Amino acid sequence: GQNIDQPTEMTATEGAIVQINCTYQTSGFNGLFWYQQHAGEAPTFLSYNVLDGLEEKGRFSSFLSRSKGYSYLLLKELQMKDSASYLCAGMDSNYQLIWGAGTKLIIKP
Amino acid sequence: DVKVTQSSRYLVKRTGEKVFLECVQDMDHENMFWYRQDPGLGLRLIYFSYDVKMKEKGDIPEGYSVSREKKERFSLILESASTNQTSMYLCASTISGSPTDTQYFGPGTRLTVL
Repeated sequence: GQNIDQPTEMTATEGAIVQINCTYQTSGFNGLFWYQQHAGEAPTFLSYNVLDGLEEKGRFSSFLSRSKGYSYLLLKELQMKDSASYLCAGMDSNYQLIWGAGTKLIIKP
Repeated sequence: DVKVTQSSRYLVKRTGEKVFLECVQDMDHENMFWYRQDPGLGLRLIYFSYDVKMKEKGDIPEGYSVSREKKERFSLILESASTNQTSMYLCASTISGSPTDTQYFGPGTRLTVL
């Protein structure tokens, strides 16, 4: 079956770095998405990776290893506003998105 | 900025009622989607539409129907609401037919069925 696994909750300190991991099993693969969702709000797009490697966008970076079925989202210089859930979604061969349950990130001062 | 709006943020209905959830996007997007989001589960696709009057079943269409009479509006209908349909409902749209396009989400409707 198809599956996306990510940790349920993580805690980090303001100003630090945190890495949120995501492993995926999909029938075929057409890329992996990361979305951010603040409590009570709409998910918003962070990144899309389809090739191996690291893509950097300001304080956020996303990494993909297709051979390992693995991705991570790296957040640097954490700010309180980064407290949110981070959703990982893999796209299968039919271009359907398989969503993880999300990782709730708690930032402490 | 793309804007996706949903008719209600919170809704309380009784078992057996017919429920309409409305979604409107203002950027002429081709594709529209309805998901439900439950604690501990990933987003699950209910229905999607890639054109006016066109609809496709997602992973969990049972108990739901949809309507897309105009390009900007996509409605989700619960024909006879049941308690297991208590959930957060999210609408999304994408700009074109490319499946890897970014999904733009509405703020969600939290539906409680009593």
